[in-house]
Amino acid sequence: DTGVSQDPRHKITKRGQNVTFRCDPISEHNRLYWYRQTLGQGPEFLTYFQNEAQLEKSRLLSDRFSAERPKGSFSTLEIQRTEQGDSAMYLCASSLAAGGPNEQFFGPGTRLTVL
Amino acid sequence: GEDVEQSLFLSVREGDSSVINCTYTDSSSTYLYWYKQEPGAGLQLLTYIFSNMDMKQDQRLTVLLNKKDKHLSLRIADTQTGDSAIYFCAELIYDMRFGAGTRLTVKP
Repeated sequence: DTGVSQDPRHKITKRGQNVTFRCDPISEHNRLYWYRQTLGQGPEFLTYFQNEAQLEKSRLLSDRFSAERPKGSFSTLEIQRTEQGDSAMYLCASSLAAGGPNEQFFGPGTRLTVL
Repeated sequence: GEDVEQSLFLSVREGDSSVINCTYTDSSSTYLYWYKQEPGAGLQLLTYIFSNMDMKQDQRLTVLLNKKDKHLSLRIADTQTGDSAIYFCAELIYDMRFGAGTRLTVKP
């Protein structure tokens, strides 16, 4: 399977702990996106990378959220000092930026539960 | 409020056509998309339409775009039980903005 993969699929943590999620995009895709999806809502854009450059991060929810893509391949999303309101599905997507429709392919998501 | 709005639920009988509607607010949208999400799975891109088109057909799927009213619809012909899922409308401006999703239930 050469689609977008995310790890872990589920994460349960206690309030105040830090968590880190990983996303591996489709190998030839140069753009990588992070979204948050809460119950009953559509995905909410957080940030994206083109290669290793983070081109948009103003939509990250707070300064507790950060993302990296150091080598332009996989990416990590870290949430520091987690709060119960951070409980959600975190989705990653990738695309090949070449103008046109920017078809984004989504991974299965990481479901975070903060107790 | 939501940039992209959809009705939350739709129920149809197997074999009927389903029409899922969406309204968006930003006339500068370049592309509009329909995604499908099944339980426990990520989003699957079904189809998209460029903003200067008014219709696109792809097998059982027909997308209609009314730019004047900022209205987008997805018609699924001969709806099957396997089409039961949540369908998201999304618009691309500088980033992708999704509606809250329409849960389609197909009854046998």
